[in-house]
Amino acid sequence: DVKVTQSSRYLVKRTGEKVFLECVQDMDHENMFWYRQDPGLGLRLIYFSYDVKMKEKGDIPEGYSVSREKKERFSLILESASTNQTSMYLCASSPGQGRLEKLFFGSGTQLSVL
Amino acid sequence: SQKIEQNSEALNIQEGKTATLTCNYTNYSPAYLQWYRQDPGRGPVFLLLIRENEKEKRKERLKVTFDTTLKQSLFHITASQPADSATYLCALPYSSASKIIFGSGTRLSIRP
Repeated sequence: DVKVTQSSRYLVKRTGEKVFLECVQDMDHENMFWYRQDPGLGLRLIYFSYDVKMKEKGDIPEGYSVSREKKERFSLILESASTNQTSMYLCASSPGQGRLEKLFFGSGTQLSVL
Repeated sequence: SQKIEQNSEALNIQEGKTATLTCNYTNYSPAYLQWYRQDPGRGPVFLLLIRENEKEKRKERLKVTFDTTLKQSLFHITASQPADSATYLCALPYSSASKIIFGSGTRLSIRP
């Protein structure tokens, strides 16, 4: 089975801190995604990557950046954390290369910014 | 832009009945549509994918329909069980085939 691992289950940070959320997948998938999930708003796409060093903005990229130096790892960076970035962050991967895009999700990181 | 609408209110069903969840989308019709299950505090798990040229897809007690004229998908769970209680999310590809967007989900509760 595909495994998508997020480095932290719970994270508490202070306003203004630089925050790194790490995600690793073990199935050689081309595509990787970062979503955030808030009550009543569902999953919203922050960024996705379709290849190493390639990235594309999602619907809500402001305040975030990403890094994909290796195929299996996709990092989400909050340059200067703010309280409105308190949320559940979900990483996902999919095979890519034109195949139908079933997503495999990690367990999520609940981030609290105080 | 494409939008997805799911029943925002929770659905409460008696065990053994059929639960039906609705997913409506606007604008263009996607090449396929997906359904995921999400339990509290966990990531979504893929359940079913239905292509635009398929009217219906089944997997065990699950059935999905896809009506491109109505721009709607229905998700059915027959002989529902308390273990089916979860939030169910509809998803479809956005402007690029690799970019997937989600509805806000419908919370389903099956009472014994």
